[in-house]
Amino acid sequence: LAKTTQPISMDSYEGQEVNITCSHNNIATNDYITWYQQFPSQGPRFIIQGYKTKVTNEVASLFIPADRKSSTLSLPRVSLSDTAVYYCLVGRGSQGNLIFGKGTKLSVKP
Amino acid sequence: DARVTQTPRHKVTEMGQEVTMRCQPILGHNTVFWYRQTMMQGLELLAYFRNRAPLDDSGMPKDRFSAEMPDATLATLKIQPSEPRDSAVYFCASGSLRSGGLTDTQYFGPGTRLTVL
Repeated sequence: LAKTTQPISMDSYEGQEVNITCSHNNIATNDYITWYQQFPSQGPRFIIQGYKTKVTNEVASLFIPADRKSSTLSLPRVSLSDTAVYYCLVGRGSQGNLIFGKGTKLSVKP
Repeated sequence: DARVTQTPRHKVTEMGQEVTMRCQPILGHNTVFWYRQTMMQGLELLAYFRNRAPLDDSGMPKDRFSAEMPDATLATLKIQPSEPRDSAVYFCASGSLRSGGLTDTQYFGPGTRLTVL
């Protein structure tokens, strides 16, 4: 299973764009990259998933370079409610489990 | 809005007692996951099922933990006997393969906060 490395914490201010980068050097050819968000006292919530290049939805964008050894979650114009832990996962859930690392604790300040 | 439900939400028990946690996956989902979350270890996968069959329970202490799916609408995680080190939040998640993708999108329940005294 591909191991992921991401910053333990990040600080930002309301209205700023936040980019969280995840390293996954030993990602396998068939692995997808998935990001989850977890608020205190809640279970993680799916944000976005991608395989290569760029994926965008109503919540975030995911940038994946050609070598796929890293990925960047981009949150446009964050608000206080975006304060949460963000997890990067790599794998094929249908073939095995997905490993949650320690995640990145994002703190958004007014 | 379909959700994963878990009961009980909170459980306080004494060491040595049996604990049973229940999960109702989202209707139509064929994969169920059990996780444990602590401050020290983060989120750990304990076991998961697909179409009610256990696929992987390597993350689970075999001597005291057991996970089952009696039917498609119910998953259970049992600890017998419980120990203080089992204190954690236990999450159940159900999943479905994303259209065009190969990775389950997991929908998490609210969790069961277990305290073993």
